[in-house]
Amino acid sequence: GAGVSQTPSNKVTEKGKYVELRCDPISGHTALYWYRQSLGQGPEFLIYFQGTGAADDSGLPNDRFFAVRPEGSVSTLKIQRTERGDSAVYLCASSWGGNTEAFFGQGTRLTVV
Amino acid sequence: SQQGEEDPQALSIQEGENATMNCSYKTSINNLQWYRQNSGRGLVHLILIRSNEREKHSGRLRVTLDTSKKSSSLLITASRAADTASYFCATDSDRGSTLGRLYFGRGTQLTVWP
Repeated sequence: GAGVSQTPSNKVTEKGKYVELRCDPISGHTALYWYRQSLGQGPEFLIYFQGTGAADDSGLPNDRFFAVRPEGSVSTLKIQRTERGDSAVYLCASSWGGNTEAFFGQGTRLTVV
Repeated sequence: SQQGEEDPQALSIQEGENATMNCSYKTSINNLQWYRQNSGRGLVHLILIRSNEREKHSGRLRVTLDTSKKSSSLLITASRAADTASYFCATDSDRGSTLGRLYFGRGTQLTVWP
Protein backbone atom coordinates (compact mmCIF):
# COMPACT_ATOMS: atom_id res chain seq x y z
CA GLY A 1 0.00 0.00 0.00
CA ALA A 2 0.90 3.65 -0.09
CA GLY A 3 1.60 3.92 3.62
CA VAL A 4 1.78 1.97 6.85
CA SER A 5 -1.64 0.66 7.79
CA GLN A 6 -2.68 -0.27 11.30
CA THR A 7 -5.85 -2.01 12.35
CA PRO A 8 -8.01 -1.54 14.25
CA SER A 9 -7.75 2.22 14.71
CA ASN A 10 -9.41 1.95 18.09
CA LYS A 11 -9.79 -1.00 20.43
CA VAL A 12 -11.61 -1.12 23.74
CA THR A 13 -11.15 -4.27 25.78
CA GLU A 14 -11.82 -5.47 29.27
CA LYS A 15 -9.05 -5.98 31.77
CA GLY A 16 -7.68 -9.50 31.50
CA LYS A 17 -8.61 -10.03 27.85
CA TYR A 18 -6.26 -10.84 24.97
CA VAL A 19 -5.80 -8.39 22.07
CA GLU A 20 -4.04 -8.42 18.73
CA LEU A 21 -2.94 -5.32 16.88
CA ARG A 22 -2.03 -5.54 13.21
CA CYS A 23 0.46 -3.59 11.13
CA ASP A 24 0.83 -3.63 7.34
CA PRO A 25 4.14 -1.95 6.47
CA ILE A 26 5.07 -0.22 3.26
CA SER A 27 5.71 -2.82 0.60
CA GLY A 28 9.38 -3.76 0.38
CA HIS A 29 10.39 -2.29 3.73
CA THR A 30 12.51 -4.82 5.57
CA ALA A 31 12.50 -3.08 8.94
CA LEU A 32 9.39 -2.85 11.11
CA TYR A 33 9.04 -1.20 14.51
CA TRP A 34 6.44 -1.09 17.26
CA TYR A 35 6.23 1.84 19.64
CA ARG A 36 3.85 2.75 22.43
CA GLN A 37 2.84 6.29 23.27
CA SER A 38 1.08 7.46 26.41
CA LEU A 39 -0.61 10.82 26.71
CA GLY A 40 1.89 13.68 26.88
CA GLN A 41 4.86 11.43 26.21
CA GLY A 42 6.99 10.61 23.22
CA PRO A 43 6.83 7.21 21.55
CA GLU A 44 8.51 4.46 23.56
CA PHE A 45 10.32 1.69 21.69
CA LEU A 46 8.92 -1.83 22.02
CA ILE A 47 10.42 -4.07 19.33
CA TYR A 48 12.27 -3.93 16.00
CA PHE A 49 12.09 -6.55 13.24
CA GLN A 50 14.58 -6.93 10.44
CA GLY A 51 12.88 -9.28 8.03
CA THR A 52 11.14 -12.06 9.95
CA GLY A 53 13.30 -11.95 13.04
CA ALA A 54 13.14 -9.68 16.04
CA ALA A 55 16.45 -7.83 15.95
CA ASP A 56 15.75 -6.04 19.21
CA ASP A 57 12.86 -6.88 21.55
CA SER A 58 14.34 -5.30 24.63
CA GLY A 59 11.60 -2.68 24.79
CA LEU A 60 8.78 -5.14 25.44
CA PRO A 61 7.70 -4.35 29.01
CA ASN A 62 7.01 -7.93 30.16
CA ASP A 63 6.14 -11.41 28.94
CA ARG A 64 2.50 -10.46 28.34
CA PHE A 65 3.67 -8.68 25.20
CA PHE A 66 4.71 -10.60 22.11
CA ALA A 67 5.07 -9.69 18.44
CA VAL A 68 5.48 -11.73 15.28
CA ARG A 69 6.27 -11.08 11.64
CA PRO A 70 6.15 -14.58 10.12
CA GLU A 71 6.60 -13.69 6.45
CA GLY A 72 8.64 -10.54 6.80
CA SER A 73 5.74 -8.25 5.97
CA VAL A 74 2.64 -7.96 8.18
CA SER A 75 3.27 -7.90 11.92
CA THR A 76 0.98 -8.59 14.84
CA LEU A 77 1.50 -7.27 18.36
CA LYS A 78 -0.16 -9.54 20.90
CA ILE A 79 -0.99 -8.55 24.46
CA GLN A 80 -2.19 -11.16 26.94
CA ARG A 81 -4.10 -10.51 30.16
CA THR A 82 -4.43 -6.83 29.41
CA GLU A 83 -4.11 -4.34 32.25
CA ARG A 84 -5.40 -0.77 32.51
CA GLY A 85 -1.79 0.44 32.34
CA ASP A 86 -1.54 -1.01 28.82
CA SER A 87 -3.89 1.73 27.58
CA ALA A 88 -1.97 3.80 25.05
CA VAL A 89 -1.59 4.46 21.35
CA TYR A 90 0.40 1.68 19.72
CA LEU A 91 2.36 2.91 16.72
CA CYS A 92 3.91 0.84 13.98
CA ALA A 93 6.59 2.10 11.59
CA SER A 94 8.56 0.64 8.72
CA SER A 95 11.71 1.58 6.86
CA TRP A 96 14.23 0.24 4.35
CA GLY A 97 16.50 -0.62 7.26
CA GLY A 98 18.14 0.74 10.35
CA ASN A 99 19.45 4.31 10.12
CA THR A 100 16.94 5.35 7.47
CA GLU A 101 13.78 7.37 7.84
CA ALA A 102 10.90 5.51 9.42
CA PHE A 103 7.32 5.92 8.22
CA PHE A 104 4.62 5.63 10.86
CA GLY A 105 1.05 4.40 10.70
CA GLN A 106 -1.85 6.23 12.34
CA GLY A 107 -1.68 4.00 15.37
CA THR A 108 -4.13 1.87 17.31
CA ARG A 109 -5.62 3.50 20.39
CA LEU A 110 -6.00 0.73 22.96
CA THR A 111 -8.23 1.36 25.95
CA VAL A 112 -8.40 -1.24 28.70
CA VAL A 113 -11.42 -0.81 30.96
CA SER B 1 19.22 6.71 28.41
CA GLN B 2 19.79 8.14 24.98
CA GLN B 3 16.45 9.85 24.91
CA GLY B 4 16.31 13.17 23.13
CA GLU B 5 14.74 16.04 24.97
CA GLU B 6 12.95 18.86 23.19
CA ASP B 7 12.88 22.41 24.42
CA PRO B 8 10.63 24.26 24.98
CA GLN B 9 7.82 21.90 26.00
CA ALA B 10 5.29 24.36 24.59
CA LEU B 11 5.57 27.24 22.15
CA SER B 12 2.85 29.68 21.17
CA ILE B 13 3.34 32.15 18.31
CA GLN B 14 1.43 34.22 15.76
CA GLU B 15 1.11 33.28 12.11
CA GLY B 16 4.02 34.59 10.09
CA GLU B 17 6.50 34.33 12.94
CA ASN B 18 9.34 31.83 13.02
CA ALA B 19 9.30 28.90 15.43
CA THR B 20 12.48 27.38 16.82
CA MET B 21 12.57 24.12 18.72
CA ASN B 22 15.65 22.53 20.21
CA CYS B 23 16.64 18.95 20.93
CA SER B 24 19.43 17.59 23.09
CA TYR B 25 20.61 14.01 23.32
CA LYS B 26 23.15 12.07 25.32
CA THR B 27 25.21 9.64 23.26
CA SER B 28 26.74 9.49 19.80
CA ILE B 29 24.38 8.98 16.88
CA ASN B 30 24.31 8.06 13.22
CA ASN B 31 21.45 10.41 12.41
CA LEU B 32 18.72 12.54 13.95
CA GLN B 33 15.18 12.85 12.66
CA TRP B 34 12.37 15.32 13.28
CA TYR B 35 8.75 14.24 13.26
CA ARG B 36 5.44 16.01 13.52
CA GLN B 37 2.32 14.61 15.18
CA ASN B 38 -1.23 15.89 15.04
CA SER B 39 -3.73 15.00 17.74
CA GLY B 40 -1.68 12.19 19.25
CA ARG B 41 -1.88 9.85 16.29
CA GLY B 42 0.55 8.99 13.48
CA LEU B 43 3.90 10.69 13.20
CA VAL B 44 4.88 12.35 9.96
CA HIS B 45 8.54 12.32 9.03
CA LEU B 46 9.88 15.82 8.38
CA ILE B 47 13.62 15.60 7.90
CA LEU B 48 16.62 13.38 8.60
CA ILE B 49 20.07 14.82 9.21
CA ARG B 50 23.14 12.60 9.37
CA SER B 51 25.88 12.96 11.92
CA ASN B 52 28.30 14.30 9.30
CA GLU B 53 25.88 17.04 8.23
CA ARG B 54 25.55 20.41 9.96
CA GLU B 55 22.50 21.90 8.31
CA LYS B 56 19.65 20.77 6.12
CA HIS B 57 16.70 22.53 4.50
CA SER B 58 13.32 21.32 3.33
CA GLY B 59 10.82 23.96 2.25
CA ARG B 60 10.14 26.17 5.28
CA LEU B 61 12.09 23.85 7.56
CA ARG B 62 15.71 24.29 8.55
CA VAL B 63 17.47 21.78 10.77
CA THR B 64 20.89 22.17 12.32
CA LEU B 65 22.98 19.57 14.09
CA ASP B 66 25.89 20.18 16.45
CA THR B 67 27.37 16.83 17.39
CA SER B 68 29.94 18.42 19.70
CA LYS B 69 27.10 19.84 21.81
CA LYS B 70 24.80 16.87 21.13
CA SER B 71 22.04 19.20 20.07
CA SER B 72 19.81 19.98 17.12
CA SER B 73 17.36 22.71 16.27
CA LEU B 74 14.30 22.83 14.02
CA LEU B 75 13.31 26.18 12.57
CA ILE B 76 9.96 26.67 10.89
CA THR B 77 9.87 29.94 9.00
CA ALA B 78 6.76 32.00 8.27
CA SER B 79 4.61 29.72 10.40
CA ARG B 80 0.98 28.96 9.57
CA ALA B 81 -1.95 27.89 11.72
CA ALA B 82 -1.70 24.49 10.01
CA ASP B 83 1.76 24.03 11.57
CA THR B 84 0.08 23.60 14.96
CA ALA B 85 1.18 20.15 16.16
CA SER B 86 3.64 18.35 18.41
CA TYR B 87 7.19 18.09 17.13
CA PHE B 88 9.56 15.33 18.17
CA CYS B 89 13.21 14.70 17.59
CA ALA B 90 14.33 11.09 17.36
CA THR B 91 17.86 9.82 17.59
CA ASP B 92 19.25 6.46 16.68
CA SER B 93 22.31 4.76 18.11
CA ASP B 94 25.67 4.05 16.58
CA ARG B 95 25.93 0.91 18.67
CA GLY B 96 25.28 -2.28 16.75
CA SER B 97 23.20 -3.87 19.46
CA THR B 98 20.54 -1.20 19.26
CA LEU B 99 20.78 -0.34 15.57
CA GLY B 100 17.37 0.62 14.22
CA ARG B 101 15.85 1.72 17.51
CA LEU B 102 14.75 5.35 17.64
CA TYR B 103 14.73 7.31 20.88
CA PHE B 104 12.11 10.05 21.18
CA GLY B 105 11.77 12.96 23.55
CA ARG B 106 8.50 14.26 24.96
CA GLY B 107 8.08 16.73 22.14
CA THR B 108 7.36 20.42 21.75
CA GLN B 109 3.72 21.43 21.42
CA LEU B 110 3.60 24.25 18.89
CA THR B 111 0.51 26.43 18.65
CA VAL B 112 0.29 28.96 15.83
CA TRP B 113 -2.48 31.53 16.22
CA PRO B 114 -4.13 32.99 13.13
